[in-house]
Amino acid sequence: EAGVAQSPRYKIIEKRQSVAFWCNPISGHATLYWYQQILGQGPKLLIQFQNNGVVDDSQLPKDRFSAERLKGVDSTLKIQPAKLEDSAVYLCASSLAGQNTGELFFGEGSRLTVL
Amino acid sequence: GNSVTQMEGPVTLSEEAFLTINCTYTATGYPSLFWYVQYPGEGLQLLLKATKADDKGSNKGFEATYRKETTSFHLEKGSVQVSDSAVYFCALSDSGNQFYFGTGTSLTVIP
Repeated sequence: EAGVAQSPRYKIIEKRQSVAFWCNPISGHATLYWYQQILGQGPKLLIQFQNNGVVDDSQLPKDRFSAERLKGVDSTLKIQPAKLEDSAVYLCASSLAGQNTGELFFGEGSRLTVL
Repeated sequence: GNSVTQMEGPVTLSEEAFLTINCTYTATGYPSLFWYVQYPGEGLQLLLKATKADDKGSNKGFEATYRKETTSFHLEKGSVQVSDSAVYFCALSDSGNQFYFGTGTSLTVIP
């Protein structure tokens, strides 16, 4: 079974530029998450989708971050304009819907460096 | 609100030593509890989980017991190996399928 796919793995940009990350979850997983992991910290939820609807985006900095999940499968996370403090690993994860006993399956992450 | 607190690292142990990484949680309702592991250069992966009070999760020699009375889910291993060197994250999920992670504990095992 294919895992969660993310791209690109690494991205270096200058502040005020824009960047987009892509995620393809495990087939059949209705719930998709984007997390931000800053070095030395635990993952912090940015946004949670169930199918193509947003469940929680309370911690998404909406002035610069946006995310969409068209057709309830792939998802894109965009940052525009980027700030230095956005340097982090952006993790995509998926799970079967409606199961708080279920586990999260993570992609390998997209490491962003903002100069 | 929901949250997870785990012991800060880094932790350095000799091979075959006993490992404990403490984790406590705050939650409403009846959360499920997890330990995730992140090996160098890899993504997070599930190590073990427990879905109700007194359940014990186990995998690869690691164990953790869901203690509702002490709101804890401490990770233990009787004899660590160099290959266990990684960052360990305690996490909980609530009825809304939302996950909350601790800050992670880095473990280095030296031969």
